[in-house]
Amino acid sequence: GAGVSQSPSNKVTEKGKDVELRCDPISGHTALYWYRQSLGQGLEFLIYFQGNSAPDKSGLPSDRFSAERTGGSVSTLTIQRTQQEDSAVYLCASSLGGLEVDTQYFGPGTRLTVL
Amino acid sequence: AQSVTQLDSHVSVSEGTPVLLRCNYSSSYSPSLFWYVQHPNKGLQLLLKYTSAATLVKGINGFEAEFKKSETSFHLTKPSAHMSDAAEYFCVVSRQYGNKLVFGAGTILRVKS
Repeated sequence: GAGVSQSPSNKVTEKGKDVELRCDPISGHTALYWYRQSLGQGLEFLIYFQGNSAPDKSGLPSDRFSAERTGGSVSTLTIQRTQQEDSAVYLCASSLGGLEVDTQYFGPGTRLTVL
Repeated sequence: AQSVTQLDSHVSVSEGTPVLLRCNYSSSYSPSLFWYVQHPNKGLQLLLKYTSAATLVKGINGFEAEFKKSETSFHLTKPSAHMSDAAEYFCVVSRQYGNKLVFGAGTILRVKS
């Protein structure tokens, strides 16, 4: 079946602009995660959605970052007033949710470059 | 809190020789442990996971890892390296009933012909 998809695959923007990154999880997966992969910081957790529960936003680096998940499926990560340090690959993952050991399946990522 | 230390940033082996990628973890709770692989310009793929059942875990492509609580280690091994194994490997920890993955810094595996 289809895996996790993300769009766009690449995004180049100018400092100060807002960007939106999209994630389509695997059908039937109730849990959705966003991670960031950058040269300086490695792979870091950003935010986690599980069903209708309040999201775990503990990994968001600043209030310029926000995310929504509409209808329990598609998610959008928004970065306002982008800075050069926001340049990274943004990875989305989904999982079945509710299991003791829940395997996360990753999308191909969106490479964001802030000029 | 959980953390992971991958002891080698780069490992180079010859094709057909054994692979050993080392990982130590720290966790205040019973951990779940994973190894993911990332080939160049591709997404992360799960190799194997530790579920607190068997301590020796077998994964895809001939990889396996052994959970050693006394040593807080979860090293990844493969008896014979293939050229296609060249990639970056991540050791990952989460809480047993958790969700957030904590990634190690990664080990780049180079396979020489």
